[in-house]
Amino acid sequence: DAGITQSPRHKVTETGTPVTLRCHQTENHRYMYWYRQDPGHGLRLIHYSYGVKDTDKGEVSDGYSVSRSKTEDFLLTLESATSSQTSVYFCAISDSPKTGTEAFFGQGTRLTVV
Amino acid sequence: QKEVEQDPGPLSVPEGAIVSLNCTYSNSAFQYFMWYRQYSRKGPELLMYTYSSGNKEDGRFTAQVDKSSKYISLFIRDSQPSDSATYLCAMRGSNSGNTPLVFGKGTRLSVIA
Repeated sequence: DAGITQSPRHKVTETGTPVTLRCHQTENHRYMYWYRQDPGHGLRLIHYSYGVKDTDKGEVSDGYSVSRSKTEDFLLTLESATSSQTSVYFCAISDSPKTGTEAFFGQGTRLTVV
Repeated sequence: QKEVEQDPGPLSVPEGAIVSLNCTYSNSAFQYFMWYRQYSRKGPELLMYTYSSGNKEDGRFTAQVDKSSKYISLFIRDSQPSDSATYLCAMRGSNSGNTPLVFGKGTRLSVIA
């Protein structure tokens, strides 16, 4: 497995509380991504980063924010969790794809908002 | 119309069968095509990568891209129970990390011993 660690692996939280998920990589890859995976929707991009402090929105960014203060860490924050944000969240990393290096995924964080 | 369409299955085949998994897409700018395999409760893992049209073979796996038809396929020969997983197609228009992958919804495959 590529050196990607997601934490926590499982979390149950209450509606309205802020939640932060962490993605840590040891590969020194430039690009990092947060996806959510839901039945019937597949993998959808939330936010991604193309360098320290450089981030951009994906397809389903509403209600989420991200930060990347170091190459190795990419944080996803649910500002005020809602039940619709119950999902499995995956972090992925990618190197500068001169040779087509594609995304490698972490093991996922299973988040339940009650 | 979704950018990438993939039949969710489930697809159930006997051990040893040839499996064909497919995706269609609408964006003619897509040039880079990938297949990921995802076991239950695990993250997706890259299985095959192809650029533009043509075939690529890796062991029991063959990826085909037909850009004229906007159609990609993954063939699995001599399928094994260990191939039971969800297979996701993914694609992008440029070879840049600033162009994130667009995924199909995945096809769930079961190979029965």
